[in-house]
Amino acid sequence: TQLLEQSPQFLSIQEGENLTVYCNSSSVFSSLQWYRQEPGEGPVLLVTVVTGGEVKKLKRLTFQFGDARKDSSLHITAAQPGDTGLYLCAGALNAYEGSARQLTFGSGTQLTVLP
Amino acid sequence: ETGVTQSPTHLIKTRGQQVTLRCSSQSGHNTVSWYQQALGQGPQFIFQYYREEENGRGNFPPRFSGLQFPNYSSELNVNALELDDSALYLCASSSTGERGETQYFGPGTRLLVL
Repeated sequence: TQLLEQSPQFLSIQEGENLTVYCNSSSVFSSLQWYRQEPGEGPVLLVTVVTGGEVKKLKRLTFQFGDARKDSSLHITAAQPGDTGLYLCAGALNAYEGSARQLTFGSGTQLTVLP
Repeated sequence: ETGVTQSPTHLIKTRGQQVTLRCSSQSGHNTVSWYQQALGQGPQFIFQYYREEENGRGNFPPRFSGLQFPNYSSELNVNALELDDSALYLCASSSTGERGETQYFGPGTRLLVL
């Protein structure tokens, strides 16, 4: 059972276009992280959101955590070829001291930005 | 760079063999988590080590085991390898105590089981 559903699975767009990736769950997460992964490498953290309704901006990337902390979105403005990669959302279910803060990952969105 | 290192980078084994993968955590981090990422999928949680003890486990059989050492580095051992164990194995280090705790990933070890 996939706790985190990510959509779309694949996205191919032209340079300069905008896009949004969605991450949805029926579970409530204490925090949610977005990662970008390139082939043969580990995921690189982009942002962590912890408060329901929180919006964070990282240059052309805007991240939003749903009010109920069950969903999140990543919006990229004016995409560039350098944005190409696998985007992963990951939710943390446990939040108390010493607990296993395992991350539950979505299946990822493979983004290709064409020049 | 996250400061998390893994070795080896690539490994080829045959079915039934055993493998040990290693991870050095980022300085100051006391927790190491291991994930398996099959091709085209997101990483799946295997287990986490905190203060040298297993501190949570995902849906993986007992032939997946691990260790954490006093310097917080860690090993993942897989016995009786199966073809489906072929994957990218990722370790992530973190420091417990915060709700928004961040896990920093290493580059992974690519394991191929023939």
